[in-house]
Amino acid sequence: DQQVKQNSPSLSVQEGRISILNCDYTNSMFDYFLWYKKYPAEGPTFLISISSIKDKNEDGRFTVFLNKSAKHLSLHIVPSQPGDSAVYFCAAILTGNQFYFGTGTSLTVIP
Amino acid sequence: EAGVAQSPRYKIIEKRQSVAFWCNPISGHATLYWYQQILGQGPKLLIQFQNNGVVDDSQLPKDRFSAERLKGVDSTLKIQPAKLEDSAVYLCASSPQVGYNEQFFGPGTRLTVL
Repeated sequence: DQQVKQNSPSLSVQEGRISILNCDYTNSMFDYFLWYKKYPAEGPTFLISISSIKDKNEDGRFTVFLNKSAKHLSLHIVPSQPGDSAVYFCAAILTGNQFYFGTGTSLTVIP
Repeated sequence: EAGVAQSPRYKIIEKRQSVAFWCNPISGHATLYWYQQILGQGPKLLIQFQNNGVVDDSQLPKDRFSAERLKGVDSTLKIQPAKLEDSAVYLCASSPQVGYNEQFFGPGTRLTVL
């Protein structure tokens, strides 16, 4: 029962272009969403988050969009840099701090 | 500020053997989580502690997995006996309190069961 899904296991983007990573969820009770970034042999690190009462949150090159009616969120990275190459996980939180993670998307930014 | 510490980083055992993992969360963090991440999947919560009490262990296979956080600080996760399907990365995370919308992860322990 995968409540949070990332349907693209991998994505390749040219340096300087936009990277768009997508995430879909099934539970309308999720009230907070996060994106984590993971390098090999390291634990995930927090990147950006959004509350369910908002539809957009921006932090530098990173923007997260939330479409509650479609149960869909996306992470935009502009411009993409080679150092952004990593696995990106979206996560959703139910009240009570229950985290549900997606399966991850491996981003490769080509110099 | 020191991050979440985990040891060992890697462990190889044979099936039916026992193994234990250790986690030291960020100082002052009351909430501690253990996750299992199988290759190609996202992290799956095994158990959540608030101080030394269990908040959620609904996905912990209790016939073989156990975890404790006796003094409300560091924690150990044990598997006894291990099965081939337990091969995964075991991640520990902490957060200041329940309801805090971010978790801080350690580097993980990669377990291989042969």
